[in-house]
Amino acid sequence: AQKVTQAQTEISVVEKEDVTLDCVYETRDTTYYLFWYKQPPSGELVFLIRRNSFDEQNEISGRYSWNFQKSTSSFNFTITASQVVDSAVYFCALSGPGSDQFYFGTGTSLTVIP
Amino acid sequence: GAVVSQHPSWVICKSGTSVKIECRSLDFQATTMFWYRQFPKQSLMLMATSNEGSKATYEQGVEKDKFLINHASLTLSTLTVTSAHPEDSSFYICSAAGSSYNSPLHFGNGTRLTVT
Repeated sequence: AQKVTQAQTEISVVEKEDVTLDCVYETRDTTYYLFWYKQPPSGELVFLIRRNSFDEQNEISGRYSWNFQKSTSSFNFTITASQVVDSAVYFCALSGPGSDQFYFGTGTSLTVIP
Repeated sequence: GAVVSQHPSWVICKSGTSVKIECRSLDFQATTMFWYRQFPKQSLMLMATSNEGSKATYEQGVEKDKFLINHASLTLSTLTVTSAHPEDSSFYICSAAGSSYNSPLHFGNGTRLTVT
């Protein structure tokens, strides 16, 4: 079965702290894609990253970094030096080889306190 | 980059009326579009999958007669909430996949529906 688990429902950090959002997935596909999306209070889903199952290289984009570990089926997201504008709900998602099924985690609500 | 436009952003309607939400792919052809519903502080729930020129596939528990989906062209899908009731109030988001295998999903900005 395909499943995405985001165990952290809500996280609060003080501005400038680093924060890691956890994502654990389950899939029977050998080829799959993992995603992170940001949903600010305005509601739109902002695409952050897509990673395919054959690429375990960690990625850094500015203050954002992602750690993909197939051995533990995890795709964690770290925000360095958090800012108030990072406050949002973050969703981890999984899709199979095609794009016909997209599985969202339940989301982690991040609040960055100034 | 690819953009999906969803309209309207928000709508308030009276019980019993119907509301149409449009989802357009602006710079790519979307062979498949998806409609999601999101309740407050919850994740996105897939309602249905629509393929251009064919009937939509609805997820279990979603009333197809209540949530009419039409995907008449490669750039437009519409969701019509018929005879809306207050419990239909929610945030609806569409997404679209391109025509090539493994095209990434692009999401619209969502529509907040309030039924009074």
